[in-house]
Amino acid sequence: DIQMTQSPSSLSASVGDRITISCRASQGIGNDLGWFQQKPGKAPKRLIHAASRLQSEVPSRFSGSRSGTEFTLTISGLQPEDFATYYCLQLNAVPVTFGQGTRLEIE
Amino acid sequence: EVQLVESGGGLVQPGGSLRLSCAASGFTFNTYWMNWFRQAPGRGLEWVANIKEDATEKYYVDSVRGRFTISRDNAKNSLYLQMNSLRVEDTAVYYCANTYFCLGGRCYPDFWGQGTLVTVSS
Repeated sequence: DIQMTQSPSSLSASVGDRITISCRASQGIGNDLGWFQQKPGKAPKRLIHAASRLQSEVPSRFSGSRSGTEFTLTISGLQPEDFATYYCLQLNAVPVTFGQGTRLEIE
Repeated sequence: EVQLVESGGGLVQPGGSLRLSCAASGFTFNTYWMNWFRQAPGRGLEWVANIKEDATEKYYVDSVRGRFTISRDNAKNSLYLQMNSLRVEDTAVYYCANTYFCLGGRCYPDFWGQGTLVTVSS
């Protein structure tokens, strides 16, 4: 199975900050990666697919990028509604696998 | 509006069985791959199984293969997960999700239900 190593596991930031979350794949997966947001007690919500393609309803302060097997989710100008847990998901092989999650908290 | 409503969760003893259901509305159910995911309490997300639009392809994570069976009834816009030989480690919230796109079982989930809790304990 492809392992996704996500970091950091938690992150404290303030409204207006720029933050980055990383996921490293255990092997090459091309651009077959998505990002999801989950708020406490809620279902996950899709943000980005194909490493950098923003879903249509997602604010442009979210962006994704790739360098080799390392993927980055960036949020520029944090808003109060952005404080949540974020997961990456690789789609290159079955089973699709998630990173461990990054909990983004208000500082 | 897309709606996915899971049901059938509850408390079951190890070795027992449960059947989860997911009622879908707001989209053309029979044209979408469908998925089950789960999340153990306080833990991360895990894909469990998925099924093609016409049920001719099904995929499972190794830890449930041979114990869980995914199925669908397109006439009823419903997805199911039959769970047998349940283990303590199967305790989780189980989510159904439709699919934004899918390539041979590798599916990017789109909309998710709110989940149903399965607790396996003696």
